[in-house]
Amino acid sequence: AQSVTQLDSQVPVFEEAPVELRCNYSSSVSVYLFWYVQYPNQGLQLLLKYLSGSTLVKGINGFEAEFNKSQTSFHLRKPSVHISDTAEYFCAVSQGGATNKLIFGTGTLLAVQP
Amino acid sequence: SAVISQKPSRDICQRGTSLTIQCQVDSQVTMMFWYRQQPGQSLTLIATANQGSEATYESGFVIDKFPISRPNLTFSTLTVSNMSPEDSSIYLCSVENQGNTEAFFGQGTRLTVV
Repeated sequence: AQSVTQLDSQVPVFEEAPVELRCNYSSSVSVYLFWYVQYPNQGLQLLLKYLSGSTLVKGINGFEAEFNKSQTSFHLRKPSVHISDTAEYFCAVSQGGATNKLIFGTGTLLAVQP
Repeated sequence: SAVISQKPSRDICQRGTSLTIQCQVDSQVTMMFWYRQQPGQSLTLIATANQGSEATYESGFVIDKFPISRPNLTFSTLTVSNMSPEDSSIYLCSVENQGNTEAFFGQGTRLTVV
């Protein structure tokens, strides 16, 4: 069975500092990987996705993530965060060909402080 | 990208009653899905809404509790039946894009059962 682990429930960081949100997955087959962001009282928005090809994926709002098959990880990074990046971030995995049957991690609250 | 409208956006309901949530998409889509996000938790897939046939439910979810309709390729409803306070959650509609490489989410329906 597939699963997603986001070890950090909350990550506090100062504005303009770099941040990494960790995501590990388990699956016995090839997967698609996603990061979604949920701003307060809003729905989910796709930040970026890995389907195949280059393991470094760039997304919106200056975020990027690197797919590491040997470590089964898909950590999200941003070199310099803004107050507006404060939100809940969800890592998700799906089996190839079924991108909408997503297994979500428990989420990481990124709290950017001035 | 698909634009998804959910109604209502929020509701407060009495226990024992039922609520029907509507999901309207601005284009025809093959796959429509319903997720639940319980307070402080991640998203869990409830079911796949199939056009012209019965919905496919995930483990732990049953048709009697969460009946789903999918009369055409742009519309679906989810009913939360015989509600209890444990049903207080955000319910999200999701669709898959044409290339099956991305999932789009509605804004969600925030349900509180008292």
